[in-house]
Amino acid sequence: SQQGEEDPQALSIQEGENATMNCSYKTSINNLQWYRQNSGRGLVHLILIRSNEREKHSGRLRVTLDTSKKSSSLLITASRAADTASYFCATDAGQGNTPLVFGKGTRLSVIA
Amino acid sequence: KAGVTQTPRYLIKTRGQQVTLSCSPISGHRSVSWYQQTPGQGLQFLFEYFSETQRNKGNFPGRFSGRQFSNSRSEMNVSTLELGDSALYLCASSLLGQNTGELFFGEGSRLTVL
Repeated sequence: SQQGEEDPQALSIQEGENATMNCSYKTSINNLQWYRQNSGRGLVHLILIRSNEREKHSGRLRVTLDTSKKSSSLLITASRAADTASYFCATDAGQGNTPLVFGKGTRLSVIA
Repeated sequence: KAGVTQTPRYLIKTRGQQVTLSCSPISGHRSVSWYQQTPGQGLQFLFEYFSETQRNKGNFPGRFSGRQFSNSRSEMNVSTLELGDSALYLCASSLLGQNTGELFFGEGSRLTVL
């Protein structure tokens, strides 16, 4: 299946440091999205990047997309304890009404 | 604007029983999608409904079914529950469909099967 895979599976950093998570996928896409999930809660949309975009910013978030490598990265700058959560990338299949497919996520722990 | 509402939030069932979960999307959203989340498998797509029609279905057995009403509210049903059905069931709504933009998720219904 065309599932995004996040790397690393878990990441632990100190408050104030930057956190980088990566996502790789298998087939061409229309867009790639990043979501955040606090433990046992629903997912919250963070950012969407289209296949013709290379970089996008939203506050402390920076997302890059490399379609030639079929990969994306999410950078959180100056992390805070409140950023502790799981982060997922989601991809479509690039054509038709296909469902979004989520990776298994990166578990980020920010230590105060 | 009210968010996506899922009920019940928590429920415990025994093997062989059936369960119905409900999802009220954001007002005006016509697409409702359902996902099953487990620690081992992550988020697995169940189905998507758009204007009362099932638009996509994931790779789940026929025990999993759903429907959408004319007011866009959706229900999913799992019959003959198995222990492996224990999971967080997430509903997400969007204006025009899954791959057109942002999904808005509810808080989920946590099902425990004993």
